[in-house]
Amino acid sequence: AQSVTQPDIHITVSEGASLELRCNYSYGATPYLFWYVQSPGQGLQLLLKYFSGDTLVQGIKGFEAEFKRSQSSFNLRKPSVHWSDAAEYFCAVGLSNFGNEKLTFGTGTRLTIIP
Amino acid sequence: EPEVTQTPSHQVTQMGQEVILRCVPISNHLYFYWYRQILGQKVEFLVSFYNNEISEKSEIFDDQFSVERPDGSNFTLKIRSTKLEDSAMYFCAGQAEDPEAFFGQGTRLTVV
Repeated sequence: AQSVTQPDIHITVSEGASLELRCNYSYGATPYLFWYVQSPGQGLQLLLKYFSGDTLVQGIKGFEAEFKRSQSSFNLRKPSVHWSDAAEYFCAVGLSNFGNEKLTFGTGTRLTIIP
Repeated sequence: EPEVTQTPSHQVTQMGQEVILRCVPISNHLYFYWYRQILGQKVEFLVSFYNNEISEKSEIFDDQFSVERPDGSNFTLKIRSTKLEDSAMYFCAGQAEDPEAFFGQGTRLTVV
């Protein structure tokens, strides 16, 4: 069964600093990869996704992620964080199963921004 | 922009009562999902639904749970006899042909 690991439970960065959130997955083939963001009490908003092709994908709010097959990783990055980026971030993998794209989520990384 | 809507946003129920959580997916969605997130924990898959039948369900989705799409629009999750441990945020998601799920804002279920 596939699994997703987000090794950092909580990260604190200063506003304006760069950010990298780690995500590793375990699966025999290349899955579909996603990053979602969840603000307190809110739903899940898709930041970006990787299906195939260019391994560096751009998302909303200035985020990007790079798929590295050799490391089974899909790390999320942002060059300069804003206070509004404080939230919980979830990496997720999906399997192409004839349309049934059940997602397996990581445990999440809580991002705190300090002035 | 169309979105997945869930009602109610918050439901409080007594243990043993039945609850129905409702979701209205985007009109072109073909695949439907329910996930749950216990407070402070990760989002977990419950069930997927396609062509008016369950495609896959997790171990969590036991006989107390059921789903249906009665009118081709609403997609519901029913918990027949709620337990304290059913307290969680429940997310509905829909998906068209493109393998990208669109999530609703969630229903927070509190069982007392």
